Amino acid sequence: EVQLVQSGAEVKNPGESLKISCRGSGSRFTTYWIAWVRQVPGKDLEWMGVIYPGDSDTRYSPSFQGQVSISADKSISTVYMQWSSLKASDTGMYYCVRSAGNGRLDSWGQGTLVTVSS
Amino acid sequence: AIQMTQSPSSLSASVGDTVTITCRASQGIGNDLGWYQKRPGKAPKLLIYEASTLQIGVPSRFSGSGSGTDFILTISSLQPEDFATYYCLQDHNYPQGTFGGGTEVNIK
Repeated sequence: EVQLVQSGAEVKNPGESLKISCRGSGSRFTTYWIAWVRQVPGKDLEWMGVIYPGDSDTRYSPSFQGQVSISADKSISTVYMQWSSLKASDTGMYYCVRSAGNGRLDSWGQGTLVTVSS
Repeated sequence: AIQMTQSPSSLSASVGDTVTITCRASQGIGNDLGWYQKRPGKAPKLLIYEASTLQIGVPSRFSGSGSGTDFILTISSLQPEDFATYYCLQDHNYPQGTFGGGTEVNIK
């Protein structure tokens, strides 16, 4: 079973950039898709996008296309989510998770809390 | 894009009750559906995948059914730890996915 460990909580000002990470264990990290899921405080889960670390093939939800950038470094079994200019509305908890198909998101990171406030 | 409509948005129940939550897809998705439990301060937890397959370690009081456009999550004999928010997720166009709007299960 894969284990995903995310980077720590971040507090940023609006307009700043940010890159958070999700490191996977196991030699098969490059053979499965890793998705990012957001939960804004008091709101529902949102599927943001997904990447295949083996070749960095990336797909985005229309709601998040152009708002964030997902990348991967397979040499260190890590995927990233990046913002170039944060907004207060980006405040939330961000989870990375293995996506195995058939509705199966089965190994979750612990979450990274991002707070954007002036 | 495939939309998922989940109902009800919230419900109140007592320990020992049986509750059902439904998810309807805007188009047929076969059995490409999962159910998740979300408790405050915890990462989401996979309960059911492939519409009806119980994830390893999940109690058998959770069950899923349906295919095509209509799906049901049933929780039998509700336990105190089951009071949480539940979400469906479809990934028929894998690897892309969409969550339903969530159902909050509250204590009556």
